Amino acid sequence: SQTIHQWPATLVQPVGSPLSLECTVEGTSNPNLYWYRQAAGRGLQLLFYSVGIGQISSEVPQNLSASRPQDRQFILSSKKLLLSDSGFYLCAWSWEAGYTFGSGTRLTVV
Amino acid sequence: GQQVMQIPQYQHVQEGEDFTTYCNSSTTLSNIQWYKQRPGGHPVFLIQLVKSGEVKKQKRLTFQFGEAKKNSSLHITATQTTDVGTYFCAGLGNTGTASKLTFGTGTRLQVML
Repeated sequence: SQTIHQWPATLVQPVGSPLSLECTVEGTSNPNLYWYRQAAGRGLQLLFYSVGIGQISSEVPQNLSASRPQDRQFILSSKKLLLSDSGFYLCAWSWEAGYTFGSGTRLTVV
Repeated sequence: GQQVMQIPQYQHVQEGEDFTTYCNSSTTLSNIQWYKQRPGGHPVFLIQLVKSGEVKKQKRLTFQFGEAKKNSSLHITATQTTDVGTYFCAGLGNTGTASKLTFGTGTRLQVML
């Protein structure tokens, strides 16, 4: 069966520090992968999606970037975090009928 | 771009009462999906609707897709405390190779004993 792993679960980082969040999928090949961000008590905002290795589409201009170095690995990065980057970051992969989300990373920038 | 709105934003009900959330898209959708997010958790897929006017049921939950494929609703009969959470609809437009969902604003349901 397919599983999606996301880590870390929580992260507290100072303003100006770098960020790297990793997501891996098991049990499927060449999945469509997505990074979403959810502000506290708000909806889900699509940040990046990828249909294959090295293929990244950005939805919202911002202080973040994404990479897909391997088929089932999706990485979200920042060189210098801003306070506004705080939020709940969710990785997901899509299948025929829906999305499966990882358990998410709660990022607090202080 | 595509926008998906949900109403109400919040709903408090007594246990045993019914609950409905409505979802409206600015554009016609190829399908609509519903997700539930428990407090502190991640969204979990509930169902997908594809056909115009489609109605699907999962136990006490009834999902409906509008005839024009621009709106949808989720109705919960006789709510229970386990229904607490935020319900999101998510619409899929025709955007090329990737299936990009646009999530609605969500309806947070609180069930009181």
